[in-house]
Amino acid sequence: GQQVMQIPQYQHVQEGEDFTTYCNSSTTLSNIQWYKQRPGGHPVFLIQLVKSGEVKKQKRLTFQFGEAKKNSSLHITATQTTDVGTYFCLPNTGNQFYFGTGTSLTVIP
Amino acid sequence: GAGVSQSPSNKVTEKGKDVELRCDPISGHTALYWYRQSLGQGLEFLIYFQGNSAPDKSGLPSDRFSAERTGGSVSTLTIQRTQQEDSAVYLCASRLTGLSNQPQHFGDGTRLSIL
Repeated sequence: GQQVMQIPQYQHVQEGEDFTTYCNSSTTLSNIQWYKQRPGGHPVFLIQLVKSGEVKKQKRLTFQFGEAKKNSSLHITATQTTDVGTYFCLPNTGNQFYFGTGTSLTVIP
Repeated sequence: GAGVSQSPSNKVTEKGKDVELRCDPISGHTALYWYRQSLGQGLEFLIYFQGNSAPDKSGLPSDRFSAERTGGSVSTLTIQRTQQEDSAVYLCASRLTGLSNQPQHFGDGTRLSIL
């Protein structure tokens, strides 16, 4: 299987700082989904991006899909302790089995 | 409505024993996925069922692993002659159809520990 790389693998931030994770594919994607997994929990769907250059917001979370539809990012403004967890992308590369490698976010109060 | 249900939630067994893990998808969901997640690691794809089609078994790590889905609903993942490296959380997810524009819904997983 071909897992898509997410960077960074780990991120520690002070509460109130911003956070960004990137999902980079070598191939053009039909769409991309983002999921969040809290510690001890299971992945939960956050959002889907479909269009080139698409930007979607959910409160403090901003999701972007690159113009070439190969890259995506998730940005959290002013992190809170409730943002702790691992964020996974799920790129559609023809099948949707292979989640990104994930970014683990720790928020220091 | 009920979400994806997995059982047991925890399973401890001795090396060499066989184990069966069960997944009850959301009613009406035709697509079903099994993943494995080792401690602190990512989501490793194991197998995918879509309706009555032949399953995609390309992620199964060895022939000790098998899965079936009866009646297009409940799925069972079987691990034969368990090894310590099989210790992980096994997650099941279902999706309304196999179309990629729909979210996957995950169960709480089965935490498998091999002694």
